[in-house]
Amino acid sequence: ELKVEQNPLFLSMQEGKNYTIYCNYSTTSDRLYWYRQDPGKSLESLFVLLSNGAVKQEGRLMASLDTKARLSTLHITAAVHDLSATYFCAVDKNLGGGADGLTFGKGTHLIIQP
Amino acid sequence: NAGVTQTPKFRVLKTGQSMTLLCAQDMNHEYMYWYRQDPGMGLRLIHYSVGEGTTAKGEVPDGYNVSRLKKQNFLLGLESAAPSQTSVYFCASSSRFGPSLWRGYTFGSGTRLTVV
Repeated sequence: ELKVEQNPLFLSMQEGKNYTIYCNYSTTSDRLYWYRQDPGKSLESLFVLLSNGAVKQEGRLMASLDTKARLSTLHITAAVHDLSATYFCAVDKNLGGGADGLTFGKGTHLIIQP
Repeated sequence: NAGVTQTPKFRVLKTGQSMTLLCAQDMNHEYMYWYRQDPGMGLRLIHYSVGEGTTAKGEVPDGYNVSRLKKQNFLLGLESAAPSQTSVYFCASSSRFGPSLWRGYTFGSGTRLTVV
C-alpha cells in the first residue's frame, strides 16, 4: 500500500525566511505532484516531477525529486504572506500512467507572518 | 474551456437521504476520479474510472456508488447519507495521452456536503 507522509503538517514562519517541506513516499513511483490549496478553494497545480533528480522552480518555490530516497522537497525562499496556504504532495500509484489516481499526503498548513 | 465542472457546489442532506453529485469534463480525458477531503486527512480516493462504462473502488468506497455512462460525466451517488459522509468532494480527470499528461490532474472546484 502506497503511503505518503508530509512534514511538517503545520508551519508558521516569518516573511523573508527560507524553509523546506518534505514529502516521503513508501513505494516506487516516478511521478510526484505538488498542489496548493487556499481555504475553501480547489487544488492548484504547482509542479509535476517526472524523473529522478527533477528540479522545478516557480517564483519563490522550488521542488525537487529523489526517487531513490523516495523523497521530494518543496523549498520556499524569502517567504511572503501571499504564500500562506496548505500545500499537498501526491504520488501516482501507477508507474507510467495516471490510471489508479493519486495518493495524497495530509498537507502542510503554512502561515507566513508579516 | 471549462475544464472540470462539479454540481452542486453546496448541499445539506438529512441522514438517510440520497443524492447524486455530477462531474463533467470537456477535455476528452479517459480517467476520472472522486475524492473526499476531510480536515487533517488530505484527499482520499473514493472511486475512479479508466473509461466509459468502467469503474473501480478506491481507498474509501463504502457508502458510495458511481457510474460513467458517458466519457465526459462521472456521477457519485450516496444512497443513504450518513453524518460521516460530511465532507468536501472533489472530482478530477486526467489523460494518458498528449500534453495533458504532463499537466497531471485537473480538479473541479468541489462540492461541500453536510449531512445532518
